Amino acid sequence: DAGVTQSPTHLIKTRGQQVTLRCSPKSGHDTVSWYQQALGQGPQFIFQYYEEEERQRGNFPDRFSGHQYPNYSSELNVNALLLGDSALYLCASRARRGRSSYNEQFFGPGTRLTVL
Amino acid sequence: AQSVTQLGSHVSVSEGALVLLRCNYSSSVPPYLFWYVQYPNQGLQLLLKYTSAATLVKGINGFEAEFKKSETSFHLTKPSAHMSDAAEYFCAVSGFAGSNYKLTFGKGTLLTVNP
Repeated sequence: DAGVTQSPTHLIKTRGQQVTLRCSPKSGHDTVSWYQQALGQGPQFIFQYYEEEERQRGNFPDRFSGHQYPNYSSELNVNALLLGDSALYLCASRARRGRSSYNEQFFGPGTRLTVL
Repeated sequence: AQSVTQLGSHVSVSEGALVLLRCNYSSSVPPYLFWYVQYPNQGLQLLLKYTSAATLVKGINGFEAEFKKSETSFHLTKPSAHMSDAAEYFCAVSGFAGSNYKLTFGKGTLLTVNP
């Protein structure tokens, strides 16, 4: 049973560019959340997707957008990249309602984004 | 609103010594509480969780944590540190279904284990 997978592992972009990060949730999971972890900080919640809709959003600008597909995989898009967007981006998935681990989030290995 | 404070950004212990990592939380609703571990260049791995059952929670790798409502604390302990425990540890809080279980993390505590 594969866990949460993310691609790519590393990415280097320049200011003003756009980037797309991808996430496949753990088998049996239908909710995907994205977190940004700046160097030396704890992860910060960006948004959460369920049934292909954004359900909750953290304190991030509209430059951050996402999508969820029918197979529950998800994308995080960041437009007009800033130097401050350099971070580890973590995807987390949660089990379908009714499962014993419904209240637990499983994290992927992350995508390290560097903006030059 | 929820928040987490981890006291001590860096904790250093000797191998075989007690590990104590401190976490205090603030939550307007009964919380779920979690400890995650992060090894260099990796994602987060769940160590243990409190979800309103037993207040003393046992996790993986010999770690445990005790939920103390009166002190709004959820400190992580391990009786005897191993070199392999060296990593960054994050405490996190989430609400119930209404919050969609969004996690709010502390800033983390880096644990170093000296031989």
